[in-house]
Amino acid sequence: DVKVTQSSRYLVKRTGEKVFLECVQDMDHENMFWYRQDPGLGLRLIYFSYDVKMKEKGDIPEGYSVSREKKERFSLILESASTNQTSMYLCASSRQGALHGYTFGSGTRLTVV
Amino acid sequence: AQKVTQAQTEISVVEKEDVTLDCVYETRDTTYYLFWYKQPPSGELVFLIRRNSFDEQNEISGRYSWNFQKSTSSFNFTITASQVVDSAVYFCALSEDQGAQKLVFGQGTRLTINP
Repeated sequence: DVKVTQSSRYLVKRTGEKVFLECVQDMDHENMFWYRQDPGLGLRLIYFSYDVKMKEKGDIPEGYSVSREKKERFSLILESASTNQTSMYLCASSRQGALHGYTFGSGTRLTVV
Repeated sequence: AQKVTQAQTEISVVEKEDVTLDCVYETRDTTYYLFWYKQPPSGELVFLIRRNSFDEQNEISGRYSWNFQKSTSSFNFTITASQVVDSAVYFCALSEDQGAQKLVFGQGTRLTINP
């Protein structure tokens, strides 16, 4: 069964900490994405990558960075976590021009205290 | 700029009722793609359907059907004879980019089917 795996389901971090959210896919997909999901706002794109070592800013990249050193892994980094980054973070992957859209991970619920 | 609006924040119906989830989109492109995803309580979004802008045929898949109307920029989703297992948050999404497939999502509609 094809999968997008996010390393943590729940995470609690302190303000100012550096936080790493990891995402791994086993489908050899070119594209990978990080979204955050907030009530009433839907999913908003933070960053995406269409190839190894390539990255593009999404709609809300401020306060975040990403890393894609290998095709299967896409990491989201919060350089200095703040309380307004408390959210559900969803990773997704897709093949170029895929007909079935994204495959999503189960999400990481991050709480910054 | 692209935008997707799901005006219905929450819908609650009794099992076996039909229910329609509304989706209105904005785009300046003539080529675009529309999607519906389901997010059950487990949290993982599940792909339901993709439609491209050149294909306005309605689609039916079992109890699910989709009505795409370019004239009103709408892509509505109907569940016939709803079941408790249909309870989820449903998202409509739009992409103008087939390659990288950046998706813009609506706010989501939380659907509750009561037994």
